[in-house]
Amino acid sequence: EADIYQTPRYLVIGTGKKITLECSQTMGHDKMYWYQQDPGMELHLIHYSYGVNSTEKGDLSSESTVSRIRTEHFPLTLESARPSHTSQYLCASSDPGTFYEQYFGPGTRLTVT
Amino acid sequence: GENVEQHPSTLSVQEGDSAVIKCTYSDSASNYFPWYKQELGKRPQLIIDIRSNVGEKKDQRIAVTLNKTAKHFSLHITETQPEDSAVYFCAATLVGNQFYFGTGTSLTVIP
Repeated sequence: EADIYQTPRYLVIGTGKKITLECSQTMGHDKMYWYQQDPGMELHLIHYSYGVNSTEKGDLSSESTVSRIRTEHFPLTLESARPSHTSQYLCASSDPGTFYEQYFGPGTRLTVT
Repeated sequence: GENVEQHPSTLSVQEGDSAVIKCTYSDSASNYFPWYKQELGKRPQLIIDIRSNVGEKKDQRIAVTLNKTAKHFSLHITETQPEDSAVYFCAATLVGNQFYFGTGTSLTVIP
């Protein structure tokens, strides 16, 4: 079934560690996005990509990086985790055929101790 | 860039009553306005959207209206049910560009 997947779903990690949050979609979408969201709160765009080898920074891009080597894969890396990074991270993808409706993944809930 | 404001931030209604959530946007070039519903612990999902060439769209108990001149759009939920309880996000975009989301409205439907 075509969907968007995120791993891990939950992660507890210590301050200073490097972490990579994985996002994969099997919908063939060109555009992908990363959002940071505290539970039930505003969605903050971190990074987005229009396609392979394309990445752009959003509002909250500092302290994180992304790569887009394959269409289906859009990992997010935090070089040095801090307690302020504790949040939920949502990956999304979109397609021109549906007016670029954004399909969201289930999210990764990150806790930095 | 675009700026989207959403009101109210919280809304409580009795089951069966109507709920209205309002959003304003700043960029007159925006031409696509989706609404997302996020239930507790789940991912946001599109519930209805409207394009700038349409003034109103309805899908069963949910409707969205758009006033391009005033740059505001609203979500209307009629005959609310407990399962409508969730956080609702509006968004505005020029098709093909990034979405600019509102800050969300937490709707509680009281049985």
